[in-house]
Amino acid sequence: AQSVTQLGSHVSVSEGALVLLRCNYSSSVPPYLFWYVQYPNQGLQLLLKYTTGATLVKGINGFEAEFKKSETSFHLTKPSAHMSDAAEYFCASNNAGNMLTFGGGTRLMVKP
Amino acid sequence: DTAVSQTPKYLVTQMGNDKSIKCEQNLGHDTMYWYKQDSKKFLKIMFSYNNKELIINETVPNRFSPKSPDKAHLNLHINSLELGDSAVYFCASSAVGGYNSPLHFGNGTRLTVT
Repeated sequence: AQSVTQLGSHVSVSEGALVLLRCNYSSSVPPYLFWYVQYPNQGLQLLLKYTTGATLVKGINGFEAEFKKSETSFHLTKPSAHMSDAAEYFCASNNAGNMLTFGGGTRLMVKP
Repeated sequence: DTAVSQTPKYLVTQMGNDKSIKCEQNLGHDTMYWYKQDSKKFLKIMFSYNNKELIINETVPNRFSPKSPDKAHLNLHINSLELGDSAVYFCASSAVGGYNSPLHFGNGTRLTVT
């Protein structure tokens, strides 16, 4: 069975600082990987996805993630945090058809 | 235009009641889902329908019954509500029920059972 682990349920950064949100997956085959963002009282929105090909994936709002098979990781980064980035972030994987498995989420807080 | 819309946004009810949550998508997607998000923000799939047919039914009490009258709608009916059913329920859809189809989520229905 696949699983997704997000290290750190809460991450706090200063505005302008680097954002790094960690995600590790366990899967017997390379999965498809996703990052979603959830703003308060809203549904999840897709930030980016990795399927095949280039391992560095760029998404919306300046975020990017790198698929590292050797480390079974798909960490999300952004060079410079904005106040508007404060939200809940979810990593997810899918290698079994319709079954998208989510990590536990990481709340990103941005300090002025 | 809202792509995936759910109603109601908030639902407060007493234990033992029966309630329904409606979901509609105007994206032309074939696959729709119900997810439950608990108080710790953990998301778990409940059901998945592809073109009106049930394809995933996770370990969910049979008090929960999804109904898909057509591929644009997936409603969730809950019988005999319990305190533990309190959560946010998200409807979602995807173009194809395949590996790399991203999900489009509604804004959720916050169910509170008292």
